[in-house]
Amino acid sequence: GAGVSQSPRYKVAKRGQDVALRCDPISGHVSLFWYQQALGQGPEFLTYFQNEAQLDKSGLPSDRFFAERPEGSVSTLKIQRTQQEDSAVYLCASSLELAGGSDEQFFGPGTRLTVL
Amino acid sequence: AQSVTQLDSQVPVFEEAPVELRCNYSSSVSVYLFWYVQYPNQGLQLLLKYLSGSTLVKGINGFEAEFNKSQTSFHLRKPSVHISDTAEYFCAVSLPYNDYKLSFGAGTTVTVRA
Repeated sequence: GAGVSQSPRYKVAKRGQDVALRCDPISGHVSLFWYQQALGQGPEFLTYFQNEAQLDKSGLPSDRFFAERPEGSVSTLKIQRTQQEDSAVYLCASSLELAGGSDEQFFGPGTRLTVL
Repeated sequence: AQSVTQLDSQVPVFEEAPVELRCNYSSSVSVYLFWYVQYPNQGLQLLLKYLSGSTLVKGINGFEAEFNKSQTSFHLRKPSVHISDTAEYFCAVSLPYNDYKLSFGAGTTVTVRA
């Protein structure tokens, strides 16, 4: 398909485990974004990549959260030593252009993380 | 910092009836405004956006929204809904100089009944 894909779709982790969430953006899209959506809330910005460069990570809630996009395409969001408050849906989005001009962000279906 | 308030968490509506979803924002500077829709088990999809110019914005699937600067509102409307419009709707804002960073409201769940 031509859309943004994310894997796994569902992840259950025990508290203290590390998890890795994958995002495959639309081919050729320059910008990539991660959002966190808690139950009953709207998405909240975590971080932004332009190609392989992480230009904004101001939304990452703690140093347990780490994101990378080493080759400027696939991105991984890693959460170390997961806590119950990390339970949420993690959304990835990509856009064609360099961020600016409000280029449309295309969202993936999300990964639902549950930390027990 | 900017913020978004969606005034209704749930809106039940009958098929073929009109619907209005209310969105108010708070910002000390001009903003860009968006409405996204999220169908079950799918990603968010852009319905429409306001950047500048005409305050009435038309989007996909028959939706439109009107930007009201004095009331800091961006309400979404559809004159006649279908069962397939059942979804969650999110209003979002961004700042023109930092416009990749979307700030979302909490969402409004629209349930269309026959």
